Amino acid sequence: GAVVSQHPSWVICKSGTSVKIECRSLDFQATTMFWYRQFPKQSLMLMATSNEGSKATYEQGVEKDKFLINHASLTLSTLTVTSAHPEDSSFYICSARTAGNYEQYFGPGTRLTVT
Amino acid sequence: AQSVAQPEDQVNVAEGNPLTVKCTYSVSGNPYLFWYVQYPNRGLQFLLKYITGDNLVKGSYGFEAEFNKSQTSFHLKKPSALVSDSALYFCAVEWGNTDKLIFGTGTRLQVFP
Repeated sequence: GAVVSQHPSWVICKSGTSVKIECRSLDFQATTMFWYRQFPKQSLMLMATSNEGSKATYEQGVEKDKFLINHASLTLSTLTVTSAHPEDSSFYICSARTAGNYEQYFGPGTRLTVT
Repeated sequence: AQSVAQPEDQVNVAEGNPLTVKCTYSVSGNPYLFWYVQYPNRGLQFLLKYITGDNLVKGSYGFEAEFNKSQTSFHLKKPSALVSDSALYFCAVEWGNTDKLIFGTGTRLQVFP
């Protein structure tokens, strides 16, 4: 149980284009979803927290107009990287949790490469 | 400021020997502590957590961790390491009701046959 999927697992896009990453909780309802960014050989940095039906809360330094997060249902959250630049290339990981549960369940990650 | 420290970038251990991966934290209030493991190009897998109660927590794959409030530590341990345990291990802390996890920088565990 508690499986989180991400799609796509990897994507290459050109500078200036937008790319959407999906995060789904497959066997539970996720009241809260989180988006992280991980640079090579570094830790995870929280980008934003989203609750179903509410606007996402972004961490300091994260551009909300560049990283659009939508949490439209209890099983799906999307991260759209708008007008992507090479410096946006990274490994993006989502996680999900249910109400009253302290554990976050992580997706397998999406590797974004912007050329 | 809240923080998590993993003082060792890498830990090397021979298969069959006990292993310890260290973690210390600095938070105000009562911490919720977690260990996750990450394999190459994969997301994180939950190993164990401490919320309250018994200071010794047992988790997946034979791992355990001990919460030590006086030393503000939450070291991960396993009595007998396996080559398949080789991976990147992250300690994380959540405090209060923030819902947010702060991760340590990770420790790469290498188990040699």
